[in-house]
Order: sequence, then structure tokens, then C-alpha cells
Amino acid sequence: TQLLEQSPQFLSIQEGENLTVYCNSSSVFSSLQWYRQEPGEGPVLLVTVVTGGEVKKLKRLTFQFGDARKDSSLHITAAQPGDTGLYLCAGAHGAGSYQLTFGKGTKLSVIP
Amino acid sequence: NAGVTQTPKFQVLKTGQSMTLQCAQDMNHEYMSWYRQDPGMGLRLIHYSVGAGITDQGEVPNGYNVSRSTTEDFPLRLLSAAPSQTSVYFCASSEDLAGAGNEQFFGPGTRLTVL
Repeated sequence: TQLLEQSPQFLSIQEGENLTVYCNSSSVFSSLQWYRQEPGEGPVLLVTVVTGGEVKKLKRLTFQFGDARKDSSLHITAAQPGDTGLYLCAGAHGAGSYQLTFGKGTKLSVIP
Repeated sequence: NAGVTQTPKFQVLKTGQSMTLQCAQDMNHEYMSWYRQDPGMGLRLIHYSVGAGITDQGEVPNGYNVSRSTTEDFPLRLLSAAPSQTSVYFCASSEDLAGAGNEQFFGPGTRLTVL
């Protein structure tokens, strides 16, 4: 079973602070996705990273895929209350694979 | 477009009862999946479908049945509900196989409690 370990599991910060969430595995993934899930709703895709070492920016969010394609990080600059939610990483195993491997998530609370 | 819709939003069952969770998508996606989400467990794949008439088992299929008679609909049936099936259930669809890195579009979920 391929596992994705996310850390931290819970994070509570003040508005304006920076934070980083990590997603680690011993397995290589063809690509890695980050989803955000708000209470009472389904996950929504934020980004897909494909190439080892790739960095993608989405406004105040910066996503990085590790060089070996085994890990990824999500950095949020100047967090806002609207960033509150559950952040999930999901690893893809390549063409022909039906299943994503999901991490257990990081629950972020940004306090105004 | 409504995207992926799920009904009901909430459901309470007694042990042994059966029910069907409904899922529909209007994006003409061939690929659809059912997940359950439990605290501390993440999202786990129950069943998936690669097109009308084609379904297969995921990671945790026991106690659940699915069918796919149309591209739009992918219902999940609980045959004899057990307390261990208390969870939040999500339906998702995608243009191509999820494991190939294609974006999955999730419904709003059904929160099921089995007493």
C-alpha cells in the first residue's frame, strides 16, 4: 500500500502568518494534486504538479513537487480566514491507473 | 452546469436497513468514483466506473454495490447497513482515470449515520 503522510495534522494560526504543509511518501508518483475542502463540502482541486522540482504559484499559495517526485509542500503567505479548511494531497500513479492515493489531510484554522 | 450532485445530504439508518445514495453529473464525464471519508483515515475509494455498464472495486468495497446504467448517474447501494458504515460519502467524476492525475470533481457529500 502506497502511503502519503501529511503534516501537520492540525494547524491553527493568526491571520497574516505564513505556514507550510508537507506531504511525504516513500513512493514515486507521476503527479501530485492538492485539494482544499471546506466544511460540509467536497474537495476542490487547487493545483496539479507533474515535474520533479516544479513550483507553481496560485496567488498567496506556493506548491512544490520534490525532485524525486516523492514529496510536496504547500506554502501559504499571509494567511487569511478564507484559507481555513482541510488541505488534502493526492498522488497519482500514472496512465492507466484508476486510483489516487490521498493523504489524511491538514486541518487549517486561520484566526482573524 | 450543476456539476456533481448528491442526494440525500444527511441520512440516518438503523442497522440492517438498506438504502441508495444518489449521484449525478452533467459534465459528460466517463469516469466516476465513490469515496468514504472518515476522521483520521482520509478519502478511501469504494467503487469506480470507467463508463456506462463498467464498474470495478476500489480499496474498501465490502458492503456496497454500484451500477452504471447511464453516463450521468452512479448510485451507491448499502445492502445491509452496519455502524461501521457511518461516514461521509463523496461521489466524484473526471474526464479520464483519476490515477492518471486528472482533476476530480466532487459532489457535496452525504453524511450517513448508522445506529
